[in-house]
Amino acid sequence: AQTVTQSQPEMSVQEAETVTLSCTYDTSESNYYLFWYKQPPSRQMILVIRQEAYKQQNATENRFSVNFQKAAKSFSLKISDSQLGDTAMYFCACYISQGGSEKLVFGKGTKLTVNP
Amino acid sequence: KAGVTQTPRYLIKTRGQQVTLSCSPISGHRSVSWYQQTPGQGLQFLFEYFSETQRNKGNFPGRFSGRQFSNSRSEMNVSTLELGDSALYLCASRVGTGNEKLFFGSGTQLSVL
Repeated sequence: AQTVTQSQPEMSVQEAETVTLSCTYDTSESNYYLFWYKQPPSRQMILVIRQEAYKQQNATENRFSVNFQKAAKSFSLKISDSQLGDTAMYFCACYISQGGSEKLVFGKGTKLTVNP
Repeated sequence: KAGVTQTPRYLIKTRGQQVTLSCSPISGHRSVSWYQQTPGQGLQFLFEYFSETQRNKGNFPGRFSGRQFSNSRSEMNVSTLELGDSALYLCASRVGTGNEKLFFGSGTQLSVL
């Protein structure tokens, strides 16, 4: 079974600083996608960044970047120049397509607070 | 383009009742998935519908059911509500199967008293 683990239930960072959220996953599939979603108090899940497993290059979206270590099955999110609006729950997720069945498995989330 | 719309935003029910939640996907999206989010269990997959057919199902009891209409709108029904069904129910849509990009709504917060 596929699992996604986020070992940091809560984190905090000062505005303008950098923070890294950890995620590890377990799958036997060779082709999959990894995501980081942000869930602010409005509750809507917002896609932050996406990584294809077959790509070695780490994905980057403005202030957000990932460190994808395929062999270690690690997928961490780095937020640079943290802003107050980054305060939210962050979920790591793994999408797998296998034999006609597709599944998106989420971690338990990390609550990030950006302090002024 | 309008996003994924879920109604109602909040719902309060009592044990034993049933409830129906609604989800309107992004225009052109034919696949709708439902997730249950609780503080203890996190996000758990309920089921996915594509072109009015259930494609995938998570590990939930038969009290949880859903359907999709020809316009891709989806409803989720929970019968004989239990206290443990209190959760945020999120709907997500995508263009179709094989496309991994999911777009989520803001959810329906269900409280069972």
